[in-house]
Amino acid sequence: AQSVTQPDIHITVSEGASLELRCNYSYGATPYLFWYVQSPGQGLQLLLKYFSGDTLVQGIKGFEAEFKRSQSSFNLRKPSVHWSDAAEYFCAVGYYGGSQGNLIFGKGTKLSVKP
Amino acid sequence: SAVISQKPSRDICQRGTSLTIQCQVDSQVTMMFWYRQQPGQSLTLIATANQGSEATYESGFVIDKFPISRPNLTFSTLTVSNMSPEDSSIYLCSVFSGNGYTFGSGTRLTVV
Repeated sequence: AQSVTQPDIHITVSEGASLELRCNYSYGATPYLFWYVQSPGQGLQLLLKYFSGDTLVQGIKGFEAEFKRSQSSFNLRKPSVHWSDAAEYFCAVGYYGGSQGNLIFGKGTKLSVKP
Repeated sequence: SAVISQKPSRDICQRGTSLTIQCQVDSQVTMMFWYRQQPGQSLTLIATANQGSEATYESGFVIDKFPISRPNLTFSTLTVSNMSPEDSSIYLCSVFSGNGYTFGSGTRLTVV
């Protein structure tokens, strides 16, 4: 069965420190991978996505993610966190295969930023 | 990417009543997806709506509780029926538009 695991429920980092949010997936086919961010009371915003090609993907707000097929991972990174990055982060996997299937979401990681 | 207009953005409803949520897409799409996000939780797929056919519901969701309309390729509605406080959630629609998935801004529903 398809699944997405975000092992960290809550992470706290200091402003200016680096960040890595983990995401592992279980999928039978080539996955299409996404990271979304949701600020309190706000909708979902796409940070970045991986469809194919270069396994290091650049996104908005200075985020990047690396697809590692051997580890079934798609971890999100940012070299220097800003207080405005405090939010909930969701990893998601999708499969198109001509049928444009739905996304499967991880449970999310809440990021808190210390001044 | 497609743009989705979802409404209402929020509502407070009495238990036992129903609420219909609308999503309008600015382009034609084959599939529309409806998700629920319970407080402090992730997104869970309710159903997939294709134009001209019955929606496909995920385990734990039934048509009588969450009837879906998909009259054309740019519009869909989700009704939350006979509401109880447990239905208090954010409901989102989504489409795949060639360059990825787009989400509506969500409907924050509170049932009292």
